[in-house]
Amino acid sequence: KQEVTQIPAALSVPEGENLVLNCSFTDSAIYNLQWFRQDPGKGLTSLLLIQSSQREQTSGRLNASLDKSSGRSTLYIAASQPGDSATYLCAVSDSNYQLIWGAGTKLIIKP
Amino acid sequence: NAGVTQTPKFRVLKTGQSMTLLCAQDMNHEYMYWYRQDPGMGLRLIHYSVGEGTTAKGEVPDGYNVSRLKKQNFLLGLESAAPSQTSVYFCASRGTATGELFFGEGSRLTVL
Repeated sequence: KQEVTQIPAALSVPEGENLVLNCSFTDSAIYNLQWFRQDPGKGLTSLLLIQSSQREQTSGRLNASLDKSSGRSTLYIAASQPGDSATYLCAVSDSNYQLIWGAGTKLIIKP
Repeated sequence: NAGVTQTPKFRVLKTGQSMTLLCAQDMNHEYMYWYRQDPGMGLRLIHYSVGEGTTAKGEVPDGYNVSRLKKQNFLLGLESAAPSQTSVYFCASRGTATGELFFGEGSRLTVL
């Protein structure tokens, strides 16, 4: 049974720092992996989608990597800003489009 | 481009009342999902649909029913609301081309 773990559960860093959020999964037979952010009281916004055949995806200051063999994905945020404060979730999808979710990392960027 | 739209956004019910949440997507997606999100519990799948006319149970289906009569709409019904169904409900859809998941903004339901 696929399990997705996100570490740390919470992270607080000063503005301007580069940071890495981690997502690990137990079964490497995934279809894709997606990173989302959720602001308090809001819905989930898709950040990056990595297909199983890809190693990384980039969007602006965000870079997500995927290593299926080790069951890991990282979300790298460069030059963090207070507006990056949110909860970040990862989800892996199998070939039947079933999604398994991590519990999220709550990120606080201090001005 | 509306994406995924949920109505209503807020609703207060009394125990035993019924209601329907509507999810509409304009991206011609095959797959649609209903989740609930509770503090400390994360996202839990209630029901999902892999195409028009099909529905399937997720992780926490009890007390809910769904219908997918039209491809663009996915309805979530509560026949007899209970306080345990107080939650924020999210609808999501995804297509088969990339598998990217898109969410609605959520519907906050309170059952008194």
